[in-house]
Amino acid sequence: QKEVEQDPGPLSVPEGAIVSLNCTYSNSAFQYFMWYRQYSRKGPELLMYTYSSGNKEDGRFTAQVDKSSKYISLFIRDSQPSDSATYLCAMSLLGGGADGLTFGKGTHLIIQP
Amino acid sequence: SQTIHQWPATLVQPVGSPLSLECTVEGTSNPNLYWYRQAAGRGLQLLFYSVGIGQISSEVPQNLSASRPQDRQFILSSKKLLLSDSGFYLCAWATDSNQPQHFGDGTRLSIL
Repeated sequence: QKEVEQDPGPLSVPEGAIVSLNCTYSNSAFQYFMWYRQYSRKGPELLMYTYSSGNKEDGRFTAQVDKSSKYISLFIRDSQPSDSATYLCAMSLLGGGADGLTFGKGTHLIIQP
Repeated sequence: SQTIHQWPATLVQPVGSPLSLECTVEGTSNPNLYWYRQAAGRGLQLLFYSVGIGQISSEVPQNLSASRPQDRQFILSSKKLLLSDSGFYLCAWATDSNQPQHFGDGTRLSIL
């Protein structure tokens, strides 16, 4: 069983729609959860950073963590064409991961104008 | 504010040639530094991390090595490149082990 599972997509939605991106994981010891956005030929950009279970909102983005189900989500409201990118979930035992981050393979998101 | 620089942005090298990729961070002191590789269809794989000058931890046995000669400089090297070393190499930094990592824009390495 892979440590972090993420649907690779592509996920194509019309502009203005609510987008839901998800990851499941197997290691119950993970404490910190992150979402990164990666444009083509660029490095990942940190979007959301959460600790343990619960919700966190930042503008159009909401991150949810359900540790009991080992399931994390990223919601994007009022999606824009500029949101088209690959979204990577990541998690670690420690916040920044002296042990490094464990990543999903990423979901390719396309927002249609 | 902190910034991270990686160079070169792209590199084409023949099999068996040496490699040196450089990463520098500005605007912070004694950061944690990381090298990842992102291969097509695969997630990011941690290669090396460093919590201080001269301190390198290797996560995966590789044809690669890393060094940290200065506080904010991280170098990825190889003496002889293999075809399997092709990929997108990303450097990242964090203030400490309890803070999130921030990535540079990577080096796309192609081995011919």
